[in-house]
Amino acid sequence: SQQGEEDPQALSIQEGENATMNCSYKTSINNLQWYRQNSGRGLVHLILIRSNEREKHSGRLRVTLDTSKKSSSLLITASRAADTASYFCATDSGGYQKVTFGIGTKLQVIP
Amino acid sequence: DGGITQSPKYLFRKEGQNVTLSCEQNLNHDAMYWYRQDPGQGLRLIYYSQIVNDFQKGDIAEGYSVSREKKESFPLTVTSAQKNPTAFYLCASNGLRSGELFFGEGSRLTVL
Repeated sequence: SQQGEEDPQALSIQEGENATMNCSYKTSINNLQWYRQNSGRGLVHLILIRSNEREKHSGRLRVTLDTSKKSSSLLITASRAADTASYFCATDSGGYQKVTFGIGTKLQVIP
Repeated sequence: DGGITQSPKYLFRKEGQNVTLSCEQNLNHDAMYWYRQDPGQGLRLIYYSQIVNDFQKGDIAEGYSVSREKKESFPLTVTSAQKNPTAFYLCASNGLRSGELFFGEGSRLTVL
């Protein structure tokens, strides 16, 4: 079973615009993470937000977490063509040992 | 450089054959994972291991087997019992006190 579900499944924007992706999950979590995957490659970790945090920033990335709604959002500001990739949320509960992923959002940034 | 190495990158197999995918890490991580990725379905957890000589089934373990004889290595065998093995397989690892997963570049298995 997959814990998270991203929305939308596909997003196309112009370079310079902001991109927002959402993730919903089903059970209580310790942490929520966002990853990026370029086509045919492995995933790269972007940011981790703990269950007691509400917002976190890293460069052009902003992540929010609402545990009451079991949802998170990833905002990429001032997007670039190089941001074109699939983005996944991942959650873990218990002791970091079982990390489960959503189905991802495919982002296309048009130059 | 530290990281995770998966091999082979591409693999073709005839139906009925077992195949083993290699995953090696030099990050000194305790936990290692195998995921399967199909188009439109994201990543699904096959097996994971927290320590040497111990591993747990994930959500789709049927038709797969693993071993963890060394901390650095976590090979995955796709057996003939796996009915639809064509997929992209990803290995990952993390430290037990860190949620961040480090991924290999993946192995693409195609059954002919």
